Amino acid sequence: QVQLVQSGPEVKKPGASVKVSCKASGYTFTNYNINWVRQAPGQGPEWMGWIFTYNGQTNYAQKFQGRVTMTTDTSANTAYMELLSLKSDDTAVYYCARDDHPLPAHWGQGTLVTVSS
Amino acid sequence: EIVMTQSPATLSVSPGERVTLSCRASQSIGSNLGWYQQTPGQAPRLLIHDASTRATGLPDRFSGSGFGTEFTLTISSLQSADSAVYYCQQYNHWPYTFGQGTKLEIQ
Repeated sequence: QVQLVQSGPEVKKPGASVKVSCKASGYTFTNYNINWVRQAPGQGPEWMGWIFTYNGQTNYAQKFQGRVTMTTDTSANTAYMELLSLKSDDTAVYYCARDDHPLPAHWGQGTLVTVSS
Repeated sequence: EIVMTQSPATLSVSPGERVTLSCRASQSIGSNLGWYQQTPGQAPRLLIHDASTRATGLPDRFSGSGFGTEFTLTISSLQSADSAVYYCQQYNHWPYTFGQGTKLEIQ
């Protein structure tokens, strides 16, 4: 069955960076794009962007342009999301989600990133 | 950026009842609207896409409708397992955006 397993929780100081991984299994990795969505405590989800897994092309929400990088390692069936210059309001659960055309039906379990001094 | 507004913020209903959740887009999004269900500590679960198409395996107690700027999610024969926060999301314009959610409580 399709599974997306994300890396564990992170605690970072303001100004640091974080890299979250998302390991896919149960399907051909390069046949589906990967989306990244985050959700701050008590808030609705927020779409960050996606990566085309077959060629690495990315599309980021303008809010995150210059601060986010999404990559893949197709040999490891893994997608990564790196966020730089962390601020306290980046504290959120970060999800990867497979693009199931037109919307993701398969999600990772989420990775809590806490930014605190 | 398209703003999605959901109403009501909270809804409390009894098992077996039927409920309708509303979602409004700040500009027309055609039928590019999805609904998700989220329980505490879990990832969102896709319920509906294209405004009215049920996700694979979703019981027909759940139905979506609407076009343009006004959308609804109807859940009939409510069960305790339906207690959750429900989000609408548009994917007609980038960046895709979600509403703030409707919290559904089953008494």
